[in-house]
Amino acid sequence: AQSVTQLGSHVSVSEGALVLLRCNYSSSVPPYLFWYVQYPNQGLQLLLKYTSAATLVKGINGFEAEFKKSETSFHLTKPSAHMSDAAEYFCAVSGYSTDKLIFGTGTRLQVFP
Amino acid sequence: DGGITQSPKYLFRKEGQNVTLSCEQNLNHDAMYWYRQDPGQGLRLIYYSQIVNDFQKGDIAEGYSVSREKKESFPLTVTSAQKNPTAFYLCASSDDLRGTQPQHFGDGTRLSIL
Repeated sequence: AQSVTQLGSHVSVSEGALVLLRCNYSSSVPPYLFWYVQYPNQGLQLLLKYTSAATLVKGINGFEAEFKKSETSFHLTKPSAHMSDAAEYFCAVSGYSTDKLIFGTGTRLQVFP
Repeated sequence: DGGITQSPKYLFRKEGQNVTLSCEQNLNHDAMYWYRQDPGQGLRLIYYSQIVNDFQKGDIAEGYSVSREKKESFPLTVTSAQKNPTAFYLCASSDDLRGTQPQHFGDGTRLSIL
């Protein structure tokens, strides 16, 4: 069975600081991994996806994530936070054994001026 | 622009009432999904459909029903059997049936009890 764990339900950073949101997965097959962002009262928007082509994946809005098989991790980073990055972020996994996305419980990012 | 349209944005339900949430997509996607979102619990799958006239239960299907009569439409009915319906409901679609491509989401419907 596949699962996703997001460490830290809330993360706070200052504007201009590094953003690091953690995601660990469990999968018995090569996973497909996704990061989504959700702004208040809106749906989810895809930030980036890992589909085995490259371990470092660049997404929209300056975000990137690195797939580390040895650590079963897919952490999301951004070098310099903006106020507009304040939102909830979800990591999700799927794979050949399932046609469904399994979501983490989300991390709410706050950015302080 | 292609996308997913959910309506209404806000919905209120009385005791014993069934309510239906609309989801329409013009992306020509085969697969469609309904999720329920509660604070601190992420997204939980209610129902999904990979083809017209067929659908499968997700993890929390009790108290909900769906239909898929057209490729573009996947309405969700919250029945009176669902005792705790207050939540944010999200509809999604995908053109990949194996979960290898991302899902596209609508802007959600917030359901509350009167």
